Amino acid sequence: SAVISQKPSRDICQRGTSLTIQCQVDSQVTMMFWYRQQPGQSLTLIATANQGSEATYESGFVIDKFPISRPNLTFSTLTVSNMSPEDSSIYLCSVNDGSYEQYFGPGTRLTVT
Amino acid sequence: SQQGEEDPQALSIQEGENATMNCSYKTSINNLQWYRQNSGRGLVHLILIRSNEREKHSGRLRVTLDTSKKSSSLLITASRAADTASYFCATVSGNTGKLIFGQGTTLQVKP
Repeated sequence: SAVISQKPSRDICQRGTSLTIQCQVDSQVTMMFWYRQQPGQSLTLIATANQGSEATYESGFVIDKFPISRPNLTFSTLTVSNMSPEDSSIYLCSVNDGSYEQYFGPGTRLTVT
Repeated sequence: SQQGEEDPQALSIQEGENATMNCSYKTSINNLQWYRQNSGRGLVHLILIRSNEREKHSGRLRVTLDTSKKSSSLLITASRAADTASYFCATVSGNTGKLIFGQGTTLQVKP
C-alpha cells in the first residue's frame, strides 16, 4: 500500500489568486492522478500526472487553469490558477502502484471567496 | 465525466439492517471498485471486482458484477452506525489506471 500526504489540508483564497497543492507519496509509483470533488458531488478526474512530461488532461480541464508538475515518482503538484468561487472544491491526488488498487490522499479543501 | 448512475442517492436504515447500493456504468471495464468517504475526507478503498468475476466478499461486504447489464451492487450486512458515509463505485477501463466514478450513495445508519 502507499501512504499519501497533501498540503495544505485546507485553504481559503481570494478570487483571482492561485494555489499550489502538493502531493507526496511514501514510495515510488508509476501513476498519479488529480481529482476534483465539488460540494455534494462525486469525484471527477482532472488529469494524469506524468513523470518527466506534460500531464494528460481530461475533457473540460486545461493546463492554463490547472498546471501540474511531477518532477519524480513520489511527488506532484497541482496549481489552481486565477481562482473563482466555482473552483471551491476538494482536490485529491491518488496513486496506482501497478496493482489494480488505487490509494487516495486526504484531500485539500479549497474555498474561494 | 461520470461513468453512470448509482442508486439510491440516499439511504437511511437502522443499525443491524442490510444496505444495498447499486451502480450502473456505460463502457466496457477492466475492473470495478467500491470506495467509502466519510464526511468529505479522503477515500478508502473497500473492494475490487474484476470483469471476469461475478461476486466477491470481504468481511460484511458483498459485491456482485453483471457485465451483461453493466451493473454492480454493494451489500453491507449487519450495518453499524460507523458505516454511515458516502459510497462510490468507480470503473477502470484499459490499462490507464484512471478511475471514473459514479454519482455516489449517501448511507445513514441510525443507532
